Amino acid sequence: SAVISQKPSRDICQRGTSLTIQCQVDSQVTMMFWYRQQPGQSLTLIATANQGSEATYESGFVIDKFPISRPNLTFSTLTVSNMSPEDSSIYLCSVPRGGVVGELFFGEGSRLTVL
Amino acid sequence: GDSVTQMEGPVTLSEEAFLTINCTYTATGYPSLFWYVQYPGEGLQLLLKATKADDKGSNKGFEATYRKETTSFHLEKGSVQVSDSAVYFCALYTGFQKLVFGTGTRLLVSP
Repeated sequence: SAVISQKPSRDICQRGTSLTIQCQVDSQVTMMFWYRQQPGQSLTLIATANQGSEATYESGFVIDKFPISRPNLTFSTLTVSNMSPEDSSIYLCSVPRGGVVGELFFGEGSRLTVL
Repeated sequence: GDSVTQMEGPVTLSEEAFLTINCTYTATGYPSLFWYVQYPGEGLQLLLKATKADDKGSNKGFEATYRKETTSFHLEKGSVQVSDSAVYFCALYTGFQKLVFGTGTRLLVSP
């Protein structure tokens, strides 16, 4: 299994500011995923972060709003830019279990509240 | 597009009661199906899965059967415990290690 650590675990932010969430994995992985869970809604995939290339964003998510870095095989950051109350969510980092379809390991999530 | 629909919660049960959490899906073909669980203060973790029609996934006393006729993957447990209190997510595989999740169902089990 993979152990995933996310920082911060929670934060309260002001409208218009930006916040960067860090994700550290205890093993090297090729793919890392960032999900968002808005209150009362399902987890939605924001983007796939691959080391050495640009992140791939899902429909409805753009790099200007959610810039992602992937400097090495164990670390990634997600920035939520120019935040509004609608960005209040839990943001989750995830990595696949190598060679097994659909099995993911998740961090505990970062709960952001935007005032 | 692909989607998953779960029953809304919370589901409140007494210990040793029978549990069913409904999950239906819409997808092209027959994707692998999953149940993930999130215990309080922890990250999501895989509970069980089924990779083809009529497969039954099982783990920790939980079971779910892949029913292509009804496009369903309902989660069941014969006798719940307080420690089963958690949020349960149904999910389907859409390729490239990506999953589509349902909205989650919170289970509360009282002694």
